[in-house]
Amino acid sequence: DAKTTQPTSMDCAEGRAANLPCNHSTISGNEYVYWYRQIHSQGPQYIIHGLKNNETNEMASLIITEDRKSSTLILPHATLRDTAVYYCIVRPGFLSNDYKLSFGAGTTVTVRA
Amino acid sequence: SQTIHQWPATLVQPVGSPLSLECTVEGTSNPNLYWYRQAAGRGLQLLFYSVGIGQISSEVPQNLSASRPQDRQFILSSKKLLLSDSGFYLCAWGTGRGQETQYFGPGTRLLVL
Repeated sequence: DAKTTQPTSMDCAEGRAANLPCNHSTISGNEYVYWYRQIHSQGPQYIIHGLKNNETNEMASLIITEDRKSSTLILPHATLRDTAVYYCIVRPGFLSNDYKLSFGAGTTVTVRA
Repeated sequence: SQTIHQWPATLVQPVGSPLSLECTVEGTSNPNLYWYRQAAGRGLQLLFYSVGIGQISSEVPQNLSASRPQDRQFILSSKKLLLSDSGFYLCAWGTGRGQETQYFGPGTRLLVL
């Protein structure tokens, strides 16, 4: 049972912002939104997570809508090294004993020069 | 800072042979530890997790087992490999405290022939 829906693929131009959408219309109040990415043949890399407020770190920004039914990951200045599969994951809060990260198919992002 | 190591990086094994994959974490104590598998073109599947030494939880029935002989060491084993055991095996660690983020190792690519 997929908790998130992401586009299969998207292209973006090097140096431009990349906006990756994710729908999670059935998210519950104690569930967080996590983003990971996986560059070919490597382990997944944590990017960012949030509950309801927008978040920013050195890699990206996460914008969560007020109703929390969708979110957008923003890579402010995409580089060729950002080419990867990006996964949006909904995960229960820390009071849950559910440790599993459920990775779907993700969005294959290709950054073009 | 924390680092996670996995070895070997790649492995080719015949059907029916035993398996031992090792994962170690540095720079943290009492982490949660995880084994995931990614089949070709598929998402990640949680196989085992451990919240402490000697404590192993299995997520899916299978031909594999896990052990945690030391606080920061997690081992994935099999007595007799099957063709279906081929895949990309990823170890991850989490703090086990508060809202946990899981951080992945570089992975071991296993091909069973």
